Amino acid sequence: GIQVEQSPPDLILQEGANSTLRCNFSDSVNNLQWFHQNPWGQLINLFYIPSGTKQNGRLSATTVATERYSLLYISSSQTTDSGVYFCAVGSLGTGNNRKLIWGLGTSLAVNP
Amino acid sequence: EPEVTQTPSHQVTQMGQEVILRCVPISNHLYFYWYRQILGQKVEFLVSFYNNEISEKSEIFDDQFSVERPDGSNFTLKIRSTKLEDSAMYFCASSLQGGGYTEAFFGQGTRLTVV
Repeated sequence: GIQVEQSPPDLILQEGANSTLRCNFSDSVNNLQWFHQNPWGQLINLFYIPSGTKQNGRLSATTVATERYSLLYISSSQTTDSGVYFCAVGSLGTGNNRKLIWGLGTSLAVNP
Repeated sequence: EPEVTQTPSHQVTQMGQEVILRCVPISNHLYFYWYRQILGQKVEFLVSFYNNEISEKSEIFDDQFSVERPDGSNFTLKIRSTKLEDSAMYFCASSLQGGGYTEAFFGQGTRLTVV
């Protein structure tokens, strides 16, 4: 099945710094989503980005589907950005299901 | 903005008891999912549901688990005879089409603790 690898696994930033998180996937996908899991365990949708570039405030994402990777950019990081960032891709499962396959995540800590 | 809602947010249960986790998907969505995340691990697919039946399930989703859409709005996950290793965050999701083709929207999760 499809493999999803995220890097780096852990990241520590000083408040105000910028960062880039990477997601590599092993096969063609029709869906790619980025999520932020906050310290309470809640999942927050960040981007639905099977291809192209999107921006939302200090966050932006780019997916190059032909090269099988996606990047999440965080600019001017804040302590509230801390948590785990997951990449999940749409798998070509059976029938119409197309479940999401998840990476292991990047654990981000932003220090004041 | 429409959202997926899950209840309860946290449930503690005795080992061997049955629990029902509840979800209200986005109203016009057709595909429904349950995922599980054991503490510190990645999110894992459990089951997908479409047209009032299970369309795919993972190896994790054995006879201990069942799903149901009892009415037009709720989607439930039942875990029979809970075990310690069932302790995890359980996420419900819905999508307009199959999750590989359109965005899947996730609820805030139910933290299940089996003691």
